[in-house]
Amino acid sequence: DQQVKQNSPSLSVQEGRISILNCDYTNSMFDYFLWYKKYPAEGPTFLISISSIKDKNEDGRFTVFLNKSAKHLSLHIVPSQPGDSAVYFCAALPGGTSYGKLTFGQGTILTVHP
Amino acid sequence: GAGVSQSPSNKVTEKGKDVELRCDPISGHTALYWYRQSLGQGLEFLIYFQGNSAPDKSGLPSDRFSAERTGGSVSTLTIQRTQQEDSAVYLCASSLRGANYGYTFGSGTRLTVV
Repeated sequence: DQQVKQNSPSLSVQEGRISILNCDYTNSMFDYFLWYKKYPAEGPTFLISISSIKDKNEDGRFTVFLNKSAKHLSLHIVPSQPGDSAVYFCAALPGGTSYGKLTFGQGTILTVHP
Repeated sequence: GAGVSQSPSNKVTEKGKDVELRCDPISGHTALYWYRQSLGQGLEFLIYFQGNSAPDKSGLPSDRFSAERTGGSVSTLTIQRTQQEDSAVYLCASSLRGANYGYTFGSGTRLTVV
């Protein structure tokens, strides 16, 4: 039962253009969402997050959008840079928890071409 | 240390053997998590420690898997009688208590069961 799904295994984008990574979830108890970035042979690193009370959160080149009714979130990277090439995971946290038991999607491999 | 340290970074073992994976969290981080990432899958929660206690071990796949934490610091994940389906990257993360998502991940242990 995949509660968090990233349906695109990979995405290829030209440098300077926008990258849009998508994530869908099924569990309506999730109320906090996160994106992590992972380079080969390294652990994932936290990128950006959004609470369910918001529909947008922005941090520099990274913006996360949340559509609660559609149970969908997306990560926009503008402009994309070759150093953004990595695996991106979305993750979700249920409300009312006192610790960070995250449910992750399968990941999307982003390749940004110079 | 400055980050979360995991050892070994790679482990190849024969089916049926026992393995121990070690995690050294960031000093002062009371929360510690183990996840695993199988090929083509997202990160799957295994177990959560707060101090030396494991209030949530719901993700451990079978009774062949166990984990302990001593001195509120180092954690060991033990897999007994390894099977080929145990092959995965095992990731450890730590955080301050109450930081539900501000984890720091280690680089992981890649376990291959042959």
